[in-house]
Amino acid sequence: NAGVTQTPKFRVLKTGQSMTLLCAQDMNHEYMYWYRQDPGMGLRLIHYSVGEGTTAKGEVPDGYNVSRLKKQNFLLGLESAAPSQTSVYFCASSYFGGPYEQYFGPGTRLTVT
Amino acid sequence: KNEVEQSPQNLTAQEGEFITINCSYSVGISALHWLQQHPGGGIVSLFMLSSGKKKHGRLIATINIQEKHSSLHITASHPRDSAVYICAVPPYSGGGADGLTFGKGTHLIIQP
Repeated sequence: NAGVTQTPKFRVLKTGQSMTLLCAQDMNHEYMYWYRQDPGMGLRLIHYSVGEGTTAKGEVPDGYNVSRLKKQNFLLGLESAAPSQTSVYFCASSYFGGPYEQYFGPGTRLTVT
Repeated sequence: KNEVEQSPQNLTAQEGEFITINCSYSVGISALHWLQQHPGGGIVSLFMLSSGKKKHGRLIATINIQEKHSSLHITASHPRDSAVYICAVPPYSGGGADGLTFGKGTHLIIQP
């Protein structure tokens, strides 16, 4: 089992460019999450999904869109990148929500210049 | 919304010392998570607990639901324990389906 994988690992974008981060899990988990981690702050939830075809906003959703067309994949899109979106992005998944362990991907370090 | 406070923010100790990291939260929860983030950035789940105490090797996690407080202890600390330890709880009472709310983490350094 690969667990949770993220693509790419690193990326540099110019302001206004767009990109998609891919998260894939092979554990048949229902729930998937996108978080961002910034210096001096805890991880913050961007969007999440409770199953294939469903998505919901988290704490900091502005500037991001997501899709969950297949159960194993959760995509995070930046339509017009801004320097404020420079961050490390983590994807996580869990069998269900609530008191279930979350499994994290290795992270994607994104820099927007 | 749940607020999570961790202390201390930074901790440097000598190898072999007993380590305690504390976590307090504001809203009643179904379970609390302790996570470890390695210097390379990867995050792994250490414990998920809703009551009492759990032990895994040299790591012990306790939780007091009434006082909304949890502690993570490391016995016989070793330099390989150096990492950031993060406490996380559901953002609202009960729940947890809508992700987690995280503390800012405790940066632990164990010196040989």
